[in-house]
Amino acid sequence: GAVVSQHPSRVICKSGTSVKIECRSLDFQATTMFWYRQFPKKSLMLMATSNEGSKATYEQGVEKDKFLINHASLTLSTLTVTSAHPEDSSFYICSARMGVNSNQPQHFGDGTRLSIL
Amino acid sequence: AQKVTQAQTEISVVEKEDVTLDCVYETRDTTYYLFWYKQPPSGELVFLIRRNSFDEQNEISGRYSWNFQKSTSSFNFTITASQVVDSAVYFCALTFTGTASKLTFGTGTRLQVTL
Repeated sequence: GAVVSQHPSRVICKSGTSVKIECRSLDFQATTMFWYRQFPKKSLMLMATSNEGSKATYEQGVEKDKFLINHASLTLSTLTVTSAHPEDSSFYICSARMGVNSNQPQHFGDGTRLSIL
Repeated sequence: AQKVTQAQTEISVVEKEDVTLDCVYETRDTTYYLFWYKQPPSGELVFLIRRNSFDEQNEISGRYSWNFQKSTSSFNFTITASQVVDSAVYFCALTFTGTASKLTFGTGTRLQVTL
């Protein structure tokens, strides 16, 4: 149980393109979803927290207009990297949590490797 | 403020050796939760264990065991008889109670198990 699907797994595109990444909880309802960014050989950096039906809460230093997050249903959250540039190249990982309580573990997607040329 | 320290950046062992991954945390909260996740080369994070601050019992799951010592703020993870498939980056993480809480990750320990 607790499967999270993230799509696409890999994206290579030109600078200036907008890229949408989907995160789906397949067998549970995810009240809260998280988006992380991970640089090579580094830990996960939380970008934002999204609760279904409300605006995402962004971490300090993360541009809201650059990284658009939508959590329209209990099973789907999307991250759109708008007008992507080479510095946005990274590994993006989503996670989903049942309920709003922190004692529930986050279950992670497989990640999306984004490469901007 | 919360902090998780995984002092071991990389560990290399030969198959069948036992290995312990250290995790030390800092928090002012009296109620908190600790987690271990595994990130194999493919990239996905796999949830391994959750432990709350009131439960100091050690736990064993197959070849995996966890030692939670509140007195030293440590939550160490031991793999017994390591296998090549155990090669991965292992992250320790901490969160406090509350709807606004987030996971604070350590920097991870890269475990390489060779034949």
